Amino acid sequence: DIQMTQSPSSLSASVGDRVTITCRASQSITTYLNWYQQKPGKAPKLLIYIASNLQSGVPSRFSGSGSGTDFTLTISSLQPEDFATYYCQQSYTTPWTFGQGTKVEIK
Amino acid sequence: EVQVVESGGGLVQPGGSLRLSCAASGFTFSNYWMHWVRQAPGKGLVWVTRINTDGSSTSYADSVKGRFTISRDNAKDTLYLQMNSLRAEDTAVYHCARQSGDYYYYNMDVWGKGTTVTVSS
Repeated sequence: DIQMTQSPSSLSASVGDRVTITCRASQSITTYLNWYQQKPGKAPKLLIYIASNLQSGVPSRFSGSGSGTDFTLTISSLQPEDFATYYCQQSYTTPWTFGQGTKVEIK
Repeated sequence: EVQVVESGGGLVQPGGSLRLSCAASGFTFSNYWMHWVRQAPGKGLVWVTRINTDGSSTSYADSVKGRFTISRDNAKDTLYLQMNSLRAEDTAVYHCARQSGDYYYYNMDVWGKGTTVTVSS
């Protein structure tokens, strides 16, 4: 199975901060990489697909980059509604696997 | 509104069975592959299984293979997960999700809030 490793596991940031979350795959997945946001008690929400494509309706402050094994999710200016847990997920091969999550908390 | 809504969760003893349902609405269910993803209390997301549009092809995580069965009824716009020989480690919120994308660049773009399964004596 392909292992997905996110860093950091958690971070504290202030409104307006630039936030970067990293995801590393245990083998090359080209750009078969998606990012999701999840708030407590809620369904996950697709943010980014194919590593860098913004899902419809997602604010442009979210962006994704990377290919191969190393990927990044960036929030350019953190907003109050962005405090949540973020997951990367590979769809290169089954079983699809997720990173362990990065919890973004208020500083 | 495009949505999926899970039901059927509950408390079950180890070794028991449970059948989850996922009702789809707002889209042509029969055109989409579907998935189940679970989340143990305080833990991350874990992919469980998926099914193709007509139910002829399925795939499972090793942890549930031989115990869980995914199926669908396109006439009822409903996805199912039959869970047998349940273990404590199967305790989780179970989400169903719609697969989207093209040319193998797939993602899960519609998710339900989930239904809670608790395996305990």
